Amino acid sequence: GAGVSQSPSNKVTEKGKDVELRCDPISGHTALYWYRQSLGQGLEFLIYFQGNSAPDKSGLPSDRFSAERTGGSVSTLTIQRTQQEDSAVYLCASSGAGRQTQYFGPGTRLLVL
Amino acid sequence: AQSVTQPDIHITVSEGASLELRCNYSYGATPYLFWYVQSPGQGLQLLLKYFSGDTLVQGIKGFEAEFKRSQSSFNLRKPSVHWSDAAEYFCAVGDPRGANNLFFGTGTRLTVIP
Repeated sequence: GAGVSQSPSNKVTEKGKDVELRCDPISGHTALYWYRQSLGQGLEFLIYFQGNSAPDKSGLPSDRFSAERTGGSVSTLTIQRTQQEDSAVYLCASSGAGRQTQYFGPGTRLLVL
Repeated sequence: AQSVTQPDIHITVSEGASLELRCNYSYGATPYLFWYVQSPGQGLQLLLKYFSGDTLVQGIKGFEAEFKRSQSSFNLRKPSVHWSDAAEYFCAVGDPRGANNLFFGTGTRLTVIP
């Protein structure tokens, strides 16, 4: 079946602009996660959605970052007033009910000039 | 607090040689344990996972990992490395109490030489 998909694959933007990154999880998966991978770093947790519960936003680095999940499926990560330090690969993952094996999408590579 | 340590930033092995990538974790109880692989420009692919039971787990692409509770380790092994195994490898831990976020190590980059 289809895996996690993300769009766009690559995004180049200018400092100060807003960007939206999209994630389509595996069909039927109730949990959705966003992570950030900066150059040479491991993955940093950003936000987690589980069903209709309030999201866990504890990993968002600043109030310029926000995310929503519509209809319990597609999610959008928004970065407002982008800064150069926001340049990274943004990875989305989803998992089904019960066991927490997370399946990752290919990521969106964001470059802020 | 949970933490994952991958002590080796970069490892180089010859094709056909054996491989062991180290992973140590800090956690209050036995966590769920994962190894992921990331090829250049790609997302993360799950290699294997440990939840409970047999401490030696088999994964895809001929990889295996062994959970050692006494050493808080979950090392990844492969008896004979192929050139296509060159990639970045990440160890991760998760909380068995709930499907919340994973904590990742900083990764080990594997180079395979002919």
